[in-house]
Amino acid sequence: EVQLVESGGGLVQPGGSLTLSCAGSGFTFTRDWMSWVRQAPGKGLEWVANIKQDGSEKYYVDSVKGRFTISRDNAKNSLYLQMNSLRGEDTAVYYCATDGVPAGLNNWGQGTLVTVSS
Amino acid sequence: QSALTQPASVSGSPGQSITISCTGTSSDVGSYNLVSWYQHHPGKAPKLLIYAVTNRPSGVSDRFSGSKSGNTASLTISGLQAEDEAHYYCSSYTTSRTQVFGGGTKLTVL
Repeated sequence: EVQLVESGGGLVQPGGSLTLSCAGSGFTFTRDWMSWVRQAPGKGLEWVANIKQDGSEKYYVDSVKGRFTISRDNAKNSLYLQMNSLRGEDTAVYYCATDGVPAGLNNWGQGTLVTVSS
Repeated sequence: QSALTQPASVSGSPGQSITISCTGTSSDVGSYNLVSWYQHHPGKAPKLLIYAVTNRPSGVSDRFSGSKSGNTASLTISGLQAEDEAHYYCSSYTTSRTQVFGGGTKLTVL
C-alpha cells in the first residue's frame, strides 16, 4: 500500500522559514515525479511545485518562485519543501503527492498544517 | 497561472446525473489532453478520479467520466449517491510545465 506521510508543519512568524518533509513507502519512490499541493483555509487546492525522479527538473507556481525550494532524497524515499520568506498567504495545509505525469496526482498524504502568523 | 474556472456549486438528487465544467485557456486545458479530476472530502486526502481527460484509475467507479472540448473539460457523475457529496477539482498541465487547479465545485446530494 502506498503511504505518504508529511511532517514539519507548525506556527512560524512572517518572514520566517520552515522545511516540510514527506516520507514515502509502499512503492518505488524513484518511479514518480513528486508534487506539493496546498489548501489555504476555506480555499481550494493550489499546486505548488514538482520535481522529476532524479531531481534534474523542478517547477514552481509563480507565487513561491525564489522563496520555496523542492528537493528529494531518493536514498531516504523522502521529498522536501524548503520555505523561506514566509507570508500570511502561505498559511495552508500542505500535501505531498506522487505525480504520475501525465497521469495525475495519484497518491496523496494526509497533509501538514503551516500557519504563518505573528 | 490563473486558476481554471469551475462553478462554485452544483446539486442533484440520488440517482440523477450531474456535470461539472472546467474552463481554461489555450495554455492549459486547450493545449494538452492532460486534465485530471479530484474528489475531496473535508479532512481527508484528495482522491484522483480521472486523468488524461477520460481515464479512470483502477478502483474508481465507472459512474465517473470525463470529457473535453476545446478549452473546457467536464466531469460527469451518473447515478448520484450520498457519498458523492464532496468538493471536486479539475487540474491541467500547462505549457509552462506547471500545473493549475480549478477553484473547486461543491457537490450537494439533495
